[in-house]
Amino acid sequence: EPEVTQTPSHQVTQMGQEVILRCVPISNHLYFYWYRQILGQKVEFLVSFYNNEISEKSEIFDDQFSVERPDGSNFTLKIRSTKLEDSAMYFCATQRGGGRTGELFFGEGSRLTVL
Amino acid sequence: AQKVTQAQTEISVVEKEDVTLDCVYETRDTTYYLFWYKQPPSGELVFLIRRNSFDEQNEISGRYSWNFQKSTSSFNFTITASQVVDSAVYFCALMTYNTDKLIFGTGTRLQVFP
Repeated sequence: EPEVTQTPSHQVTQMGQEVILRCVPISNHLYFYWYRQILGQKVEFLVSFYNNEISEKSEIFDDQFSVERPDGSNFTLKIRSTKLEDSAMYFCATQRGGGRTGELFFGEGSRLTVL
Repeated sequence: AQKVTQAQTEISVVEKEDVTLDCVYETRDTTYYLFWYKQPPSGELVFLIRRNSFDEQNEISGRYSWNFQKSTSSFNFTITASQVVDSAVYFCALMTYNTDKLIFGTGTRLQVFP
């Protein structure tokens, strides 16, 4: 069964460092998302991406965050200068069609720990 | 505003018991979608079901069943004859028509003891 692959599974970084989280979507999927889950809390939407541009973003997704598909396969989330409160599990999700058609496939997550 | 409420923070049952996880949603949109996801201890999010707002027919999939009632804005999830492998956090989520954003509830942690 096709799946969404995320790397790294766990990254530890110092506050102020840049971090890039990578996602390999399911091959025929067109819509890409990042969500995050602070430990023990609910899953929160960060950003959606379609046709090489951001289609929607949350208030969490400030100037410190960026997304791109650098090579047409990977989908990346970059945090330019990490803060302690960025420590969370980051989930990539992909979907064949848009929100109206429904099923999001989530990766296994990348745990980010900021010290 | 859109919101999902899962009032049950944690539920513990003994194997073979039936258990219902509650989900109440709020939205002013008439077209929307409701989801349930399972998050086992390994951490990934596993899709269980998607329902659109025009389809109130209840659904059964093996030991899982879902009861969607627009009159009470609820989308409850029942596991029949629970098993230890059902132990996980279960999230209910809402997506409205004009957005791709899933709004999650706070989750219900289900522990099934042997």
